[in-house]
Amino acid sequence: NAGVMQNPRHLVRRRGQEARLRCSPMKGHSHVYWYRQLPEEGLKFMVYLQKENIIDESGMPKERFSAEFPKEGPSILRIQQVVRGDSAAYFCASSLTTRTEAFFGQGTRLTVV
Amino acid sequence: EDQVTQSPEALRLQEGESSSLNCSYTVSGLRGLFWYRQDPGKGPEFLFTLYSAGEEKEKERLKATLTKKESFLHITAPKPEDSATYLCAVPTSYDKVIFGPGTSLSVIP
Repeated sequence: NAGVMQNPRHLVRRRGQEARLRCSPMKGHSHVYWYRQLPEEGLKFMVYLQKENIIDESGMPKERFSAEFPKEGPSILRIQQVVRGDSAAYFCASSLTTRTEAFFGQGTRLTVV
Repeated sequence: EDQVTQSPEALRLQEGESSSLNCSYTVSGLRGLFWYRQDPGKGPEFLFTLYSAGEEKEKERLKATLTKKESFLHITAPKPEDSATYLCAVPTSYDKVIFGPGTSLSVIP
């Protein structure tokens, strides 16, 4: 049973380009969370999704950022027109229910040059 | 406002020197509390789930306990390989999971 898979592990984008981060949850998990982590800082909640629905996006910037979790396929975090301040590690986690532990992927490290 | 805090921010122990990490939370209606370990450059690794005050969980040198307002992660006779950042997290009433800032633990041989 594979764990949470994120790809790519490392992503370099020039300012103004788009970044697409993918997350395949653990088998059977329908709850997905995205977090951002800056160097030497904690995990900051961005968005919580269930299949085809955004449940809570209160931690996600209102502009340039979007997330989806389609019926088929991975969850996608999209960042349009990236800026240097978007450089960070982005982690995805999935859980079986809202009250059970979430399991994390290894993260995508985005560098904006 | 739902909030999770952890103390100390950093902890440096000699190998074999036991200690405790603290996680305090303010959420309406606790739905559980999770402990994770994060190594540099990696995603957090799940350790424990606690659901009710008085509950305890153990794994090797680690023991997690829960009260109505806080949780402790006790580390008994730590080894250098226990060095990591330890995170606690709680689901809020809206089911999003929020994390504390973590405690960075260094165990010196």
